[in-house]
Parts: sequence; C-alpha cells; structure tokens
Amino acid sequence: QVQLQQSGPGLVKPSQTLSLTCAISGDSVSSNSATWNWIRQSPSRGLEWLGRTYYRSKWYNDYAVSVKSRITINPDTSKNQFSLQLNSVTPEDTAVYYCARGSPLAAAGPHDYWGQGTLVTVSS
Amino acid sequence: DIVMTQSPDSLAVSLGERATINCKSSQSVLYSSNNKNYLAWYQQKAGQPPKLLIYWASTRESGVPDRFSGSGSGTDFTLTISSLQAEDVAVYYCQQYYSPPRTFGGGTTVEIK
Repeated sequence: QVQLQQSGPGLVKPSQTLSLTCAISGDSVSSNSATWNWIRQSPSRGLEWLGRTYYRSKWYNDYAVSVKSRITINPDTSKNQFSLQLNSVTPEDTAVYYCARGSPLAAAGPHDYWGQGTLVTVSS
Repeated sequence: DIVMTQSPDSLAVSLGERATINCKSSQSVLYSSNNKNYLAWYQQKAGQPPKLLIYWASTRESGVPDRFSGSGSGTDFTLTISSLQAEDVAVYYCQQYYSPPRTFGGGTTVEIK
C-alpha cells in the first residue's frame, strides 16, 4: 500500500519561499513507471496541477506554465521523498497543497495516491 | 491547455436514486494508438484529498463500489451513481491526463434530497 506523508509550514510570508516535502512509503521516488506530483486547491482556482518529477533512466521535471518561473520539484532518493519549492509567494498562492502519485498505468497516469494535504496561508 | 467543463455545478438526489454528472473536454482525450480515453473521475469528501474512482473513462479503481460507472469517449463523458448512498455525498471532479498540464473540471457537488 502506497502512502504519502506531507510536511512543511502552514504559514509563509509574502515574497518568501513555500517549501513542502512528501515522504513516500510503499513505492520508490526512483520508480521507472510512476510520477510524483504537486497539486493545489483553492476556492478561486479549483484543483490546479503544479508539476511533477519522475525517473526514466534519468530525472525529468514538468511544470505548469502558471508557476514555471517560480517552482522547483526535487527528488531525494536517500530519503525516498520529493519536495516542492515555490518562490516569491503572494496571497494568491494560499491553498491546500497535495502531493500525489501519477499511476504507473500509463506514461501519464491518473493520480491514484494522495498526501493528506497541507493548508498553506501566505500572510504577513 | 485542455479545458474541462462539468455540469451541473450541484445536484440533489434522493437516496437510492440515480445521479448523473457530465464532463466535457475542449479537445479529444482519446489517444488513437491505444483507443483509450485519458479521463479520470475523483471523489472528494469534506476535509479529505480527492480519491480516484475511475480511470480510462470507464475502469473502476480497485475497491470502488460497482454503483459508480463511467462512460463516454472523445470529448463527452458521464459519471453515474446508480443508487445514491449517504456516503456518496461529496464533490466529484473529472480530470484529463491526455496532455500536460493535467487539468480538472470545476467539480459537481452531490447532496441528498
């Protein structure tokens, strides 16, 4: 059974960096078939896919255009986890952030396992 | 980006009755090489993350009750709950995973009448 456990602060000041981590059990961040994603949810933007990291003989990243200049998703193979960094945050980045696995079913499978979610509020 | 449009925004259904949710994509999510629709349905209950119900438009995820079914192809899809139970109260989302970014519909809230 795959489990994803999120950690990180729930309050970030404007212009600073949002940092979250997702620890994986029951699978490997270096899987050759799954992908590892960050998704956020807010009343104004709904569910918004932010980006992913995955390993296919080498590491790849894809990012949503809306955050591409501010986002970094990194794998940590030593701890079997992956992280999200979002720079220069504004109150519009206030949302519940989820990590999720992209199913090994397909090269770009649906999200079959999710973390518990972290409410991140951007406020001074 | 592929835009996913759900209807209705909400619906109230009596226990044991059928609930039907529609999802339309702005372009086809049918991949011709394998004849699969890259369309998933999720259920989100209050305070919880979304839960995958259906993928490939009509394949139920393991453990999902058979009262949930998905249908459709190309750009038009439907999620049907054949006999609504109290535990089905939730918001339901469709998502395309045909091309990045993976986009979601706006959600449909299902309540008990």
